[in-house]
Amino acid sequence: DAKTTQPNSMESNEEEPVHLPCNHSTISGTDYIHWYRQLPSQGPEYVIHGLTSNVNNRMASLAIAEDRKSSTLILHRATLRDAAVYYCILRGPSSNTGKLIFGQGTTLQVKP
Amino acid sequence: EPEVTQTPSHQVTQMGQEVILRCVPISNHLYFYWYRQILGQKVEFLVSFYNNEISEKSEIFDDQFSVERPDGSNFTLKIRSTKLEDSAMYFCASTVRDGINEKLFFGSGTQLSVL
Repeated sequence: DAKTTQPNSMESNEEEPVHLPCNHSTISGTDYIHWYRQLPSQGPEYVIHGLTSNVNNRMASLAIAEDRKSSTLILHRATLRDAAVYYCILRGPSSNTGKLIFGQGTTLQVKP
Repeated sequence: EPEVTQTPSHQVTQMGQEVILRCVPISNHLYFYWYRQILGQKVEFLVSFYNNEISEKSEIFDDQFSVERPDGSNFTLKIRSTKLEDSAMYFCASTVRDGINEKLFFGSGTQLSVL
């Protein structure tokens, strides 16, 4: 599976936008980019995913670079409840058994 | 919104004892998974299960581990003889269809402490 690289931690102020970057320079053409997050004492929670085009849902937006070697998860207005570890995960044809490979993720702190 | 539920939320056991962790996946889901997270470490895949069979398992999932769907609703993980290093948070997950375009739904986990 292709590898992703994320900053260990980021800080944001409440009600400001947050841009969480992910590098995946070895991504293959069939890999989907998935984002999950893990709130304290909770299981991972799906956030968003995409292949080539930018994606929006009620939780976040996903901006994918044209060469697909990087992506950015955008939280438009961070709240205290968004404080979590955010994982960028690639899913390709070899991961069709639900085997998600989690990295260390980015720990997001949101300051009031 | 439907959710994956896990019981118990905490389990304490003595080394060498058997434990069974229980999960109730979302009702129309067909694919089931167990993951674990040792304190301070990454979330790790253990096993995937579909149509009453294991689809894939990791190196962690050795002969001491087994999974079962004894009835139409529960999905269990059994550890036959627990070791200290089995202490971790165990997460169950499920999905409707398996595929790289599908999202997994995780439960809140069972914290297993082996003494």
